[in-house]
Amino acid sequence: GQSLEQPSEVTAVEGAIVQINCTYQTSGFYGLSWYQQHDGGAPTFLSYNALDGLEETGRFSSFLSRSDSYGYLLLQELQMKDSASYFCAVRDLTGGYQKVTFGTGTKLQVIP
Amino acid sequence: DTEVTQTPKHLVMGMTNKKSLKCEQHMGHRAMYWYKQKAKKPPELMFVYSYEKLSINESVPSRFSPECPNSSLLNLHLHALQPEDSALYLCASSLGQGTNEKLFFGSGTQLSVL
Repeated sequence: GQSLEQPSEVTAVEGAIVQINCTYQTSGFYGLSWYQQHDGGAPTFLSYNALDGLEETGRFSSFLSRSDSYGYLLLQELQMKDSASYFCAVRDLTGGYQKVTFGTGTKLQVIP
Repeated sequence: DTEVTQTPKHLVMGMTNKKSLKCEQHMGHRAMYWYKQKAKKPPELMFVYSYEKLSINESVPSRFSPECPNSSLLNLHLHALQPEDSALYLCASSLGQGTNEKLFFGSGTQLSVL
């Protein structure tokens, strides 16, 4: 089966940089995604890494190391609105079909 | 239109009731998903439909019955639920079940079973 581990909570100061880590164990790995979910809201897609390296999308960057089964989400110039839960998610192969499984989630609190 | 629309937003039902959750998208996506999310937990996959055919059932109890009437609609029929089934039920869609399509989520149905 799959397992994805993340820190449960992270607190960071407005304007700072924060890194949220994700380690995973799965078979048939295709890629690692990141989703943001505000309290009471729907998860929204942030980024996707299929290959090793860094992907940058504005203030957010995501990194993947397939050999280490590890990735992280980097948030720069933190804003109060970034306070939310962040989930890594793996896309892998099960019974001939691809599916997306979410990590344990990290609750980020941005403080002034 | 880049939305996934779910109705109702809130639902309270007794253990003997029958109800249905509805999900609609008009993005031309051919894969649709049901996820269940408990408070402070990650979304858990329940079902995947690909091209209107059920492709994944994550050993979900039969009191949950999915239906995909056409490529834009996804239903989840509920019958004889238990209080522990109370959760946020999220519908999602993606272009296909390919390698990097992102999931678009609806805002969910908050279900309470009494």
